[in-house]
Amino acid sequence: NAGVMQNPRHLVRRRGQEARLRCSPMKGHSHVYWYRQLPEEGLKFMVYLQKENIIDESGMPKERFSAEFPKEGPSILRIQQVVRGDSAAYFCASSPGTGSWETQYFGPGTRLLVL
Amino acid sequence: RKEVEQDPGPFNVPEGATVAFNCTYSNSASQSFFWYRQDCRKEPKLLMSVYSSGNEDGRFTAQLNRASQYISLLIRDSKLSDSATYLCVSTGNQFYFGTGTSLTVIP
Repeated sequence: NAGVMQNPRHLVRRRGQEARLRCSPMKGHSHVYWYRQLPEEGLKFMVYLQKENIIDESGMPKERFSAEFPKEGPSILRIQQVVRGDSAAYFCASSPGTGSWETQYFGPGTRLLVL
Repeated sequence: RKEVEQDPGPFNVPEGATVAFNCTYSNSASQSFFWYRQDCRKEPKLLMSVYSSGNEDGRFTAQLNRASQYISLLIRDSKLSDSATYLCVSTGNQFYFGTGTSLTVIP
């Protein structure tokens, strides 16, 4: 049973470009969460999605960031017009969606570097 | 005030030692708690859930004190492979992660 998949594992962008990060949840999981981890800091919640629905985006910056989880295909975290401060590790997690506050399983992360 | 607070450490302990980490949470309505382990530049991995009655998994024991709003993790007979950052999690509207406690087990 494959775990949570994320790609790319490393992404380099110049300021002003767009970054697209993909996450395929664990098989059988319908809930996806995105987190950002800055160097030497903890994980910060960004957004919680179910298929075709954003459940909680309270952690998403108001501008330039968006997320989706379409009916088919992976969840996408999109960052437009990247700035150096966006450089971080972005982790995706998934859970089955069968109960409240169930365990989340993390993917290997995408490390974004903005030059 | 942060939702979850942890002593960042670092904790440097010899092999075979017992080490304990505490974590406090601010939301008295939190229902679920977890300990995750994160190795350098890797993803967090679930170590154990924390139950009201406390739970043990081999050398690891987790406890919850609702009255004082803290959770703890005890590691007995430390191994070199236990070296990592340990993250505590409380839940509310979302998962709230602490910034982690760094542990290095020294030969």
